[in-house]
Amino acid sequence: DAKTTQPNSMESNEEEPVHLPCNHSTISGTDYIHWYRQLPSQGPEYVIHGLTSNVNNRMASLAIAEDRKSSTLILHRATLRDAAVYYCGTYYGGSQGNLIFGKGTKLSVKP
Amino acid sequence: DAGVIQSPRHEVTEMGQEVTLRCKPISGHNSLFWYRQTMMRGLELLIYFNNNVPIDDSGMPEDRFSAKMPNASFSTLKIQPSEPRDSAVYFCASSLTGHSGNTIYFGEGSWLTVV
Repeated sequence: DAKTTQPNSMESNEEEPVHLPCNHSTISGTDYIHWYRQLPSQGPEYVIHGLTSNVNNRMASLAIAEDRKSSTLILHRATLRDAAVYYCGTYYGGSQGNLIFGKGTKLSVKP
Repeated sequence: DAGVIQSPRHEVTEMGQEVTLRCKPISGHNSLFWYRQTMMRGLELLIYFNNNVPIDDSGMPEDRFSAKMPNASFSTLKIQPSEPRDSAVYFCASSLTGHSGNTIYFGEGSWLTVV
């Protein structure tokens, strides 16, 4: 079965970098890796996505392993507003639309 | 721009009643998704439409659940009859196309409680 796994929770100090890992060992070669985050009582919001190369945007960076079986979301300087549940998702089976999420990592940021 | 709009935001209903959740995707988006979120199972994909046609409904838990998309700007998820274990947050989402490189935009969710 397709499976995306993430740690249940992580802690970080404010202003420090955070590395959130995700394993997606059954991903196919053409499927993108997506990261979303969810604040309390809100819908998930897009953070970043990529295929093979590392990606950067104003919110975060995405480091993708060479074999694509894992990826890491990098928040360069955590702020209190970054405290959320972060979901890693991948499209399994090569078909469109089947974006399957992991159970998410709850990130706590300490001042 | 308006995002994905869902209604109702909150619903409390009695077991056995019919529940209808509604979704208006972002204008111009051709793909629509219904997800269910619970503490135990996380975010589960229930069904996915592309150009108003259901493509994959393998995530729909049982026959009590049905989803329709009569046109490009409206979709419903219906539960009949509802049961307490259906209590969850139901998210509708849309994307430009079903390609895996597209961003998916989520609504604020419909919080369902079945008592």
